[in-house]
Amino acid sequence: IAGITQAPTSQILAAGRRMTLRCTQDMRHNAMYWYRQDLGLGLRLIHYSNTAGTTGKGEVPDGYSVSRANTDDFPLTLASAVPSQTSVYFCASSARPGGTDGYTFGSGTRLTVV
Amino acid sequence: GQNIDQPTEMTATEGAIVQINCTYQTSGFNGLFWYQQHAGEAPTFLSYNVLDGLEEKGRFSSFLSRSKGYSYLLLKELQMKDSASYLCAAMDSNYQLIWGAGTKLIIKP
Repeated sequence: IAGITQAPTSQILAAGRRMTLRCTQDMRHNAMYWYRQDLGLGLRLIHYSNTAGTTGKGEVPDGYSVSRANTDDFPLTLASAVPSQTSVYFCASSARPGGTDGYTFGSGTRLTVV
Repeated sequence: GQNIDQPTEMTATEGAIVQINCTYQTSGFNGLFWYQQHAGEAPTFLSYNVLDGLEEKGRFSSFLSRSKGYSYLLLKELQMKDSASYLCAAMDSNYQLIWGAGTKLIIKP
């Protein structure tokens, strides 16, 4: 089934630990995105990639890094987790930046930093 | 600044019609999206408007007025499965989406 796979589904992480959230898509979409979703707030863009080999900072990039070595994979790394990074993280993709067919979202990773 | 406003919560009755409003302010504008998100799940794409007017897609319709910075999502013949959050998002001049906090729609029998 074409789509986006995120892993893990959920995680409890000790503060100060490093963690990578995985995201893989099989739709050959050029653009990929990482969002966090917190209660009462809209989805906030962390980082994005318009095409393989390029990345950009979104609205809330501090404490996070990404890489885009190939078209399919777009991992998000928390270098040293803090409790304020407790959130639900969604990876998304679109055929092209600014695509009007909408974004396809992964099922999310629920992260709790304690 | 960039901002999206939509009501936090709405309640409607099964079989009825409900309109969810959204107002936006963005740096440039490249279209307005609506997504549906069931509790604990990922958002799914419903509609995209870039020109003024009404776009109909089955039981769901979406309207845009660029001059007023306003959109609405109209849901007809409501079903219990329509209970979800509805997210409004505007695309700015950099082709990035600015998201509203979502409207939680509660459907009562």
